[in-house]
Amino acid sequence: EVQLMESGGGLVQPGGSLRLSCAASGFTFSSYGMNWVRQAPGKGLEWLSYISLASTTMYYAESVKGRFTISRDNAKNSLFLQLDSLTAEDTAVYYCARDIDFGLDSWGQGSLVTVSS
Amino acid sequence: DIQLTQSPSFLSASVGDTVTITCRASQDISHYLAWYQHKPRTAPKLLIYVASTLQSGVPSRFSGSGSGTDFTLTIRSLQPEDFATYYCQQVNTSPFTFGPGTKVDFK
Repeated sequence: EVQLMESGGGLVQPGGSLRLSCAASGFTFSSYGMNWVRQAPGKGLEWLSYISLASTTMYYAESVKGRFTISRDNAKNSLFLQLDSLTAEDTAVYYCARDIDFGLDSWGQGSLVTVSS
Repeated sequence: DIQLTQSPSFLSASVGDTVTITCRASQDISHYLAWYQHKPRTAPKLLIYVASTLQSGVPSRFSGSGSGTDFTLTIRSLQPEDFATYYCQQVNTSPFTFGPGTKVDFK
C-alpha cells in the first residue's frame, strides 16, 4: 500500500524557517516525481513545487520561488520542503503527493504550518 | 502562467442527481487535466487524469471530458459520499495550477 506521511509542521514566527519531511513507503520512491501542495485556511488547493525522480528538475510556484526549496533523498525514501522567510500567508496544511505524470495519485494526510508571532 | 476557472463555485444537489462541473483553461492544455475530490481533514483524491481516464478504484459514475481549454466533470446518480469540493488541475505546464474549486453540498 502506498503511504506518504508528512512531518515537521508547527508554529513558527514570521521570518522564520521550517523543514517539512515526507516519508514514503509501499512503492519504489525513486521511480516517481513528487510534489508539494498546500491549502490555506478557507482556501483551495495551491500547487507549490515539483521534483523529478533524480532531482534533475525542480519547479516552483511564483508565490514560493526563492523562499522554498524542494529536495529528496531516494536512499531514505524521503521528500523535503525547506520553508524560509515565512509570512502569515504561508499558514496552511502542506501535503506531499506522488506524481504519475498526468496527476497526483497518492497524497499524505498533511502537516499544518502556522506562521504567527 | 495558465489560469483555471471553475463553474459553478458552489452547487446544491440531492442524492441521485447528475451534476456537471466545468473547468476552463486560459490557454490550450491539450488533454493534460486532472480532477480531484477533497473532503475536509482528508487527503485529496485523484478521480480522473488526462481529462477522461478514470483513476483505478474510482466509481464509474464519475466521468470527465474535454480537451484544449474546456473540460467537464460529470457525476451521475450522486451518492452521499460524493458531497465534497472538486478541483481541476492542469499538468501541461509548470506551474501546475489548480482551479479554485467547486463545492457540492446538500440541497
